[in-house]
Amino acid sequence: AQTVTQSQPEMSVQEAETVTLSCTYDTSENNYYLFWYKQPPSRQMILVIRQEAYKQQNATENRFSVNFQKAAKSFSLKISDSQLGDTAMYFCAFIFRTGANSKLTFGKGITLSVRP
Amino acid sequence: SAVISQKPSRDICQRGTSLTIQCQVDSQVTMMFWYRQQPGQSLTLIATANQGSEATYESGFVIDKFPISRPNLTFSTLTVSNMSPEDSSIYLCSVSIAGGLDTQYFGPGTRLTVL
Repeated sequence: AQTVTQSQPEMSVQEAETVTLSCTYDTSENNYYLFWYKQPPSRQMILVIRQEAYKQQNATENRFSVNFQKAAKSFSLKISDSQLGDTAMYFCAFIFRTGANSKLTFGKGITLSVRP
Repeated sequence: SAVISQKPSRDICQRGTSLTIQCQVDSQVTMMFWYRQQPGQSLTLIATANQGSEATYESGFVIDKFPISRPNLTFSTLTVSNMSPEDSSIYLCSVSIAGGLDTQYFGPGTRLTVL
């Protein structure tokens, strides 16, 4: 079974600075997706970014980018020019692209606070 | 992506009663999912709801406690039955446009408090 580990329970960053959130995962498969979801206090789960395992190029969405290291099974999220609205819980998640029993597996999450 | 709504957004219920949560999506989707998020915790999958078939429950969740309906490709309900304070959680539905092996998009969640 796959596992997703987010070892940092919380982080804090000054507004306009850059922060990196860590995530590692464990799987013997090669065909999967990785995701970062954001959950602000409103509790809505919002997709931040998606990475396909077969793509070597790191995914980027505006101020959000990932550092995907497949051999090391690492998938960190970098937030540039942090904004107050980035304050939220961030979850790393994983899903196999094949298999009848594939399901989205989440890490424990990290609470990010952006200081004004 | 998809636009997903849930009703109610929050509720406070008495022990022993039941609550039905509705999930509506703006397009037809094959698979819908129900998750529970206990306070300060991550998401745990309760069940997968496919239209026209019985829901598939994860270990630790049973149909008698969490009956699910999926009458069409845009709607599902989750009932939390015979509630106890331990059922106090956020309940979220999600949908997968590409058949479950791809990105899931989430509804806004239902915050349930059981007294």
